[in-house]
Amino acid sequence: KQEVTQIPAALSVPEGENLVLNCSFTDSAIYNLQWFRQDPGKGLTSLLLIQSSQREQTSGRLNASLDKSSGRSTLYIAASQPGDSATYLCETSGSRLTFGEGTQLTVNP
Amino acid sequence: EAGVTQFPSHSVIEKGQTVTLRCDPISGHDNLYWYRRVMGKEIKFLLHFVKESKQDESGMPNNRFLAERTGGTYSTLKVQPAELEDSGVYFCASSQLIGGELFFGEGSRLTVL
Repeated sequence: KQEVTQIPAALSVPEGENLVLNCSFTDSAIYNLQWFRQDPGKGLTSLLLIQSSQREQTSGRLNASLDKSSGRSTLYIAASQPGDSATYLCETSGSRLTFGEGTQLTVNP
Repeated sequence: EAGVTQFPSHSVIEKGQTVTLRCDPISGHDNLYWYRRVMGKEIKFLLHFVKESKQDESGMPNNRFLAERTGGTYSTLKVQPAELEDSGVYFCASSQLIGGELFFGEGSRLTVL
């Protein structure tokens, strides 16, 4: 059974800081790993999708890495902005789709 | 192109009543998934349809939950009778391929009083 863990559970940073969110998973037999953000009362918005054969994906100020052998992924956010405040979720797609509990990010102006 | 849509956005019912949630996936997406987040906990998988067939329904909590996808288009999730612990947000997602990018709806918030 896949278990996905996200650390930290919550993070508060001043505007402009670079930050890293961590995701670990126990079963490396995955098709892909996807990072989402969720704003309060909203659905999930896909940020980055990394296929199992890939090592990283970049979109704007976001960079996600994947190391299947160690069961880890990181989401790097450069030059954080208050609009980045949200809950960030990591999800693995294998025989089952499994989510982590999320990291609640607050970027203070 | 329309995204994944869910209805209703919020439903408030009393314990013992029935509620039906609907999900319209992105057109052409054979894969449809139901998830839920209860009591502020992590999002948990409920079931997966491939077209009209249930590919995996191992996440369904009990037989009070019934999901259907007649014709392989939209899906419904019925809770009958609803219990207090069913309160939460029910998300639907679709993807074109198994293991492909997931697109989520806004969720249906269910409150059972």
